[in-house]
Amino acid sequence: EVQLVESGGGLVQPGGSLRLSCAASGFTFSRYWMTWVRQAPGKGLEWVANIKGDGSEKYYVDSVKGRFTISRDNAKNSLYLHMNSLRVEDTAVYSCAREVNYYEGGGTYADSWGQGILVTVSS
Amino acid sequence: EIVLTQSPATLSLSPGERATLSCRASQSVRSNLAWYQQKPGQAPRLIIYDASNRATGIPARFSGSGSGTDFTLTISSLEPEDFAVYYCHQRFSWPLPFGPGTKVDF
Repeated sequence: EVQLVESGGGLVQPGGSLRLSCAASGFTFSRYWMTWVRQAPGKGLEWVANIKGDGSEKYYVDSVKGRFTISRDNAKNSLYLHMNSLRVEDTAVYSCAREVNYYEGGGTYADSWGQGILVTVSS
Repeated sequence: EIVLTQSPATLSLSPGERATLSCRASQSVRSNLAWYQQKPGQAPRLIIYDASNRATGIPARFSGSGSGTDFTLTISSLEPEDFAVYYCHQRFSWPLPFGPGTKVDF
């Protein structure tokens, strides 16, 4: 069974930093793209970043470029999101998800999700 | 950057009725589009991938269609557990935005 468990959230002041972790189990972690998605309270889903299985490709939404860094440790089956210069508008539940490629040449889609972790940016 | 719009914002229906949800992209995403269902307090659930393929375990009452810029999610006969928010998500080019969502409620 695929399991994704986020940790590292909490309350942080504007301008501060946090590192989120996502512990993966039940699948061969290194073979999959992984993604971070966030959801502000009462709002919709926002894709934040994703990373290829070997870590060689990383992509970000414009609003976090230069502030957030996605990384992974395949030996530890773990995904990370390093968040710096946090803003009030970064307040959200952050979820990690596994992306599946159903066939060669097709897109990748988030088929398994963690329950999410709350990050609150407030003074 | 591709922008997704969804309509309607809210769809008020009863169990047994047919639901038709629309997603429009600001430029072509070919067939690289997914639909997710989200219920309060729960993680999103993949319903449709590549515009028209049902994900594992998704009932046949869910169907997706479209390509390019216009996509539709159809629920042929609503069950009580289908009342939720549905998001489309393009996977064609980075960044990868979600649509704003359509709430299907009573």
